[in-house]
Amino acid sequence: DTGVSQDPRHKITKRGQNVTFRCDPISEHNRLYWYRQTLGQGPEFLTYFQNEAQLEKSRLLSDRFSAERPKGSFSTLEIQRTEQGDSAMYLCASSLVMGPYSNQPQHFGDGTRLSIL
Amino acid sequence: EDKVVQSPLSLVVHEGDTVTLNCSYEVTNFRSLLWYKQEKKAPTFLFMLTSSGIEKKSGRLSSILDKKELFSILNITATQTGDSAIYLCAVVGSNSGYALNFGKGTSLLVTP
Repeated sequence: DTGVSQDPRHKITKRGQNVTFRCDPISEHNRLYWYRQTLGQGPEFLTYFQNEAQLEKSRLLSDRFSAERPKGSFSTLEIQRTEQGDSAMYLCASSLVMGPYSNQPQHFGDGTRLSIL
Repeated sequence: EDKVVQSPLSLVVHEGDTVTLNCSYEVTNFRSLLWYKQEKKAPTFLFMLTSSGIEKKSGRLSSILDKKELFSILNITATQTGDSAIYLCAVVGSNSGYALNFGKGTSLLVTP
């Protein structure tokens, strides 16, 4: 069963460094989402893609964050000049959307836990 | 702004008890409400509700939505220690595209 996979599982880095995470969605899913989760909170939406097009970005996504999904399959999330406040679990989810009224659940990967020293 | 409030925030019960978790919401142009279970890793999907009054059931878990009063409940009967987890409620509205807007979750601990 190939679910959503994320890499790496853990990342520890020094403040000011750049980091990149990867997400491989469920293969037939055309939508891919990124969320961030901190301790004691539910996941917060960052951005999503329909195939390779980035359709929405949250105001949480500062200009230090960039996401891509170049071929409509895997996606990367890059954080430049990391800050301590970036420490969180970064979750990726995917779903299949087949029309304007399509309503399918999102399935999540295990996340990448980022710790900034 | 869309808002999801879950209660209680934490709960401790004994194995065999029945629990009810609550989720109230405010959302522009409601599309769906979803429940997820989160143990140490990924939130795993439990239910998606779009219509009022129709109960969704899976084993000992069930959920129902009230779109008039803007809330949902998740019931777990005959709880087991393996039910210990954080239960997350999320809504989808038209303002957020298809993004999930989550509550803070209810942390459930089932003791033997």
